[in-house]
Amino acid sequence: DTGVSQDPRHKITKRGQNVTFRCDPISEHNRLYWYRQTLGQGPEFLTYFQNEAQLEKSRLLSDRFSAERPKGSFSTLEIQRTEQGDSAMYLCASSVGPTAETQYFGPGTRLLVL
Amino acid sequence: QKEVEQDPGPLSVPEGAIVSLNCTYSNSAFQYFMWYRQYSRKGPELLMYTYSSGNKEDGRFTAQVDKSSKYISLFIRDSQPSDSATYLCAMIGSGAGSYQLTFGKGTKLSVIP
Repeated sequence: DTGVSQDPRHKITKRGQNVTFRCDPISEHNRLYWYRQTLGQGPEFLTYFQNEAQLEKSRLLSDRFSAERPKGSFSTLEIQRTEQGDSAMYLCASSVGPTAETQYFGPGTRLLVL
Repeated sequence: QKEVEQDPGPLSVPEGAIVSLNCTYSNSAFQYFMWYRQYSRKGPELLMYTYSSGNKEDGRFTAQVDKSSKYISLFIRDSQPSDSATYLCAMIGSGAGSYQLTFGKGTKLSVIP
C-alpha cells in the first residue's frame, strides 16, 4: 500500500521563475486536494478535484497558480512568476468515498523562492 | 477571530505524562473533527476523526468533542518521546459540499525522556 506521493520534495527557485509540482494520490482515491502551509501555521486549502473536475479554488489561489488533474489520477500544481511570498510547503491530500473527512496527506513539496 | 483557535505552545512534558491538547472553533457547521500529527518537515498524518459530539479512543489516544461548547480535545496517555511532534486539529462540515479542511495552527509538543 503506497500513500500519497509528491515530487519534488524540495525546490529552490529564483523570483520570477515558473515551478511545477506533482502529486500522486492513493490509488482509487477520487478526491484530491492541494493545501499550502507556512511556518507556524496550519495547512490552508487551495483547490479540490473530484476525479478530473476542479470543483473549488480558494481565493488564495491567484491567477499565477494553476492546477490540473487530467485523467483523474495524478495532479500538477504550477506557479508562474514566483514571488518570495510563495515560499511555503505545498501539501497534497486524497480521499475516497462520499465524504471528505478522511484526507490523507503526502510528504509535501517545500518551496523556497529567492 | 479565526474559525479554529489552537494554542501553538510549545508544550513540554516528561515521558509518561498525560497530555491534553485542545481547540476551539466558531463555525457551528463543522461536524467532523480530526487530529493530525506532523513531524518536522513532514506531511500531516491522520490520527483520529470523530463525528459530532462524543469520545473516541484509539490506543493511547482519546479524542473528545463538545459541540455545545465548540471545544475539542486530544488526550495522550503514557506519552513517549516519539510523540514529540506538532498536533493539528482540523474540522469539516458534513454533506456533499464539504471538502475543505479548516486547520488550527498546531500545538508543538515535546516529550522529555
